[in-house]
Amino acid sequence: DAGVIQSPRHEVTEMGQEVTLRCKPISGHNSLFWYRQTMMRGLELLIYFNNNVPIDDSGMPEDRFSAKMPNASFSTLKIQPSEPRDSAVYFCASSSIQGHQPQHFGDGTRLSIL
Amino acid sequence: GENVEQHPSTLSVQEGDSAVIKCTYSDSASNYFPWYKQELGKRPQLIIDIRSNVGEKKDQRIAVTLNKTAKHFSLHITETQPEDSAVYFCAADLIMNSGYSTLTFGKGTMLLVSP
Repeated sequence: DAGVIQSPRHEVTEMGQEVTLRCKPISGHNSLFWYRQTMMRGLELLIYFNNNVPIDDSGMPEDRFSAKMPNASFSTLKIQPSEPRDSAVYFCASSSIQGHQPQHFGDGTRLSIL
Repeated sequence: GENVEQHPSTLSVQEGDSAVIKCTYSDSASNYFPWYKQELGKRPQLIIDIRSNVGEKKDQRIAVTLNKTAKHFSLHITETQPEDSAVYFCAADLIMNSGYSTLTFGKGTMLLVSP
């Protein structure tokens, strides 16, 4: 199993630009989670999907952030326009929809907004 | 919602010593408690987990204990080695009425094992 695959691994862009982060969950997993990690705030849940449907997006910081899951094997997290305070590591994780199952994390995208 | 508190935030030990990290949670409905290890620049990786029908679980040098009455659980690492140095996160699972579940993470403990 290839695990959760995220791209790109690193992204450096200027403020105001649109940023798109991508995630491919583990095959057969039907829950997908987007997290943001910073030194100050730790690991924050932004949004999660079950069976491609967004369940809770209360962690999305602002309207500049949006996420989609058009099918069971692909999700995107978009920031438009980006700001320097969006700089962080963004992780995608997936798990089985059945309760009491671990989440498996991708390698993350390290985002730097200049 | 669930609230998970983790202590200490940093922990320094000598190689060979034991390390203990403690977490408390707020929602008595939580039934699943995983622990993740995150090395510098890497992703969080599951190292051990425990379910509410079990009080203790052990895997080689690591063990986790759970006290549901007191709503706290702990990670124990024995005979620590320098490669155990990392940030450790506890988490608690909450199954909502819809049947869906999420994890609430603690803030993490930075463990440093000195040779």
